[in-house]
Parts: sequence; C-alpha cells; structure tokens
Amino acid sequence: GENVEQHPSTLSVQEGDSAVIKCTYSDSASNYFPWYKQELGKGPQLIIDIRSNVGEKKDQRIAVTLNKTAKHFSLHITETQPEDSAVYFCAATRGGSQGNLIFGKGTKLSVKP
Amino acid sequence: SQTIHQWPATLVQPVGSPLSLECTVEGTSNPNLYWYRQAAGRGLQLLFYSVGIGQISSEVPQNLSASRPQDRQFILSSKKLLLSDSGFYLCAWYHTGREGRYEQYFGPGTRLTVT
Repeated sequence: GENVEQHPSTLSVQEGDSAVIKCTYSDSASNYFPWYKQELGKGPQLIIDIRSNVGEKKDQRIAVTLNKTAKHFSLHITETQPEDSAVYFCAATRGGSQGNLIFGKGTKLSVKP
Repeated sequence: SQTIHQWPATLVQPVGSPLSLECTVEGTSNPNLYWYRQAAGRGLQLLFYSVGIGQISSEVPQNLSASRPQDRQFILSSKKLLLSDSGFYLCAWYHTGREGRYEQYFGPGTRLTVT
C-alpha cells in the first residue's frame, strides 16, 4: 500500500546550524506534501507545504524541496533556534483522496543552545 | 477564523469501560473531519474520516467507532476499552485553501490512558 518513509527518526544540532529531514513516498499520484511541527502535548501544526508542480518553496528559515521523479521531499531549517525543538512530520496525499494524508513516523529534532 | 475543539483534554479510564471523545469545528461548513491516534513516540494513524453528516469511513478495523451527528461535530466512541487503546487522539479538519492546498488542521488532542 501507500507509504511515506521519514529519516532520520532523531536529529540533534547546535543552535545556529542547519537541519534537514528527508521523506520518500510511494504513491505516484500524491500531489501535495505538507510538513507539520508537533510540540510536546499539543496537536501538530502545519508549517509549510508544497504542491507537485513546484520544486522548492521557502518561508523565512524554513524551506521544502520536492523531487517528483525520485519521489523525495525534504525540509530544511536554517539558523536553528532552541524553539525549533519538536517532532516534525512529513505527509503526502493518498492518491486521489483529497485531504487524506499519509504521514511519516516523525523526526524528533533537538536544538542545543 | 476556523477553530477546532476537543474534549476532554485528558482521560483515564479502566479496561472494559466505554469511551466518548468529542470534536467540534467552528468557522467553517461541511468540513472533512478526521480522527487520528498517536501512540507514544510513534506517528499518526488515521482511524476514521467523514465527508459529511452520517458518512463515516473506517481505516483500521478495531473496537472503536465514529459518528457525525452534526455538520461540525465528530465523535469517537468505544463500548469496551482495551489497554492498547491508550494514546493521544487527534481530531483534524480539511480545507481546500488557496491554490488548491489541501490544508489539514489538527485540534489540541485528548490524552487517553487505559488502566
């Protein structure tokens, strides 16, 4: 069935360094790829997304890239800050089921001051 | 603006007891609604989704059920809880935003502990 693989499962960086989280998906019909940030005890929050007709999107310190041919997409966080520490989830739409997302297993990011 | 509410925030229930978790959405009409479960340290598992009143699709066979009695109300239930039902339950709604973005927003969640 459809699947989204996310790596790494944990990531520790020094404040100010960059962090990269990578995902691969299996459903070639997926056309929308959101990223969520989940802080402890809270619901996930949408932080950035990208559609299949775009290769890269940037929002301040956060950027997402998409390679549809390879079925890869990545989250890049530059100049990391302690408040970036959280669990990050990637997701992909499940084929033609608009709004139905398949999530990766998450990456726990720790930014050390 | 749209807001999603879940209650209770935390719940401790004994094995075999019933369950009812409620989710309501404000500021939108006819949303797609979702129930997810998140086990400790794991990802998000889609349990149910609904595209309208009385319309429920189940993703995972189990002892849970869902109902949508009103347009903006989604309820997750169980007649008899199992230990394995413990987890963080999240309600979400889906909105087609600008440029066709499939924006899915999550509620604050309910932490369920079955003892």
